[in-house]
Amino acid sequence: SAVISQKPSRDICQRGTSLTIQCQVDSQVTMMFWYRQQPGQSLTLIATANQGSEATYESGFVIDKFPISRPNLTFSTLTVSNMSPEDSSIYLCSVEAASTDTQYFGPGTRLTVL
Amino acid sequence: AQKVTQAQTEISVVEKEDVTLDCVYETRDTTYYLFWYKQPPSGELVFLIRRNSFDEQNEISGRYSWNFQKSTSSFNFTITASQVVDSAVYFCALIADSNYQLIWGAGTKLIIKP
Repeated sequence: SAVISQKPSRDICQRGTSLTIQCQVDSQVTMMFWYRQQPGQSLTLIATANQGSEATYESGFVIDKFPISRPNLTFSTLTVSNMSPEDSSIYLCSVEAASTDTQYFGPGTRLTVL
Repeated sequence: AQKVTQAQTEISVVEKEDVTLDCVYETRDTTYYLFWYKQPPSGELVFLIRRNSFDEQNEISGRYSWNFQKSTSSFNFTITASQVVDSAVYFCALIADSNYQLIWGAGTKLIIKP
């Protein structure tokens, strides 16, 4: 399985500011995903990060609020913009191992918005 | 539409007891994949197992075993001789061919008391 790292691991931010989360994979992967996990909840897919094109967002998530970059096959960023306390969550990136339909996850970023 | 149900919100057992986590799924697809993930308190999601719909063989890996029964649409997970380190939230998930997105159960929080 791929080794996935995320930065930062945690952050405490003020309302109205933005935070960019980085996801780095140790091998080239086609499919990368960003998830949100609110406290005590299951995972919700935010978007699929597409290399060389705009991300594909799920219902309820918009590019203005969660802009995503995917400059190459090993790296992606998710920005949480104009944050409010409701954005306090764990944000996870995942990658799909080729031809296995299996997603492997990064360690997550714990975000607290005050 | 696909759905995954983990009816047990929280289970608490004493160390060395056996414990079974239930997972019931719904899909009309004939080709699909089922997964279990573990999320310890640190927050990272750890992949445990992937099973495709054409393989109903039960699987054992050390103290972990999985019972896949298509007749009851269940994919249950048993931990034998539980240990404190097994304390985590466990998620069951499904990907069906017609909708290539992980559908997550709500998770079961497992507490192993020493």
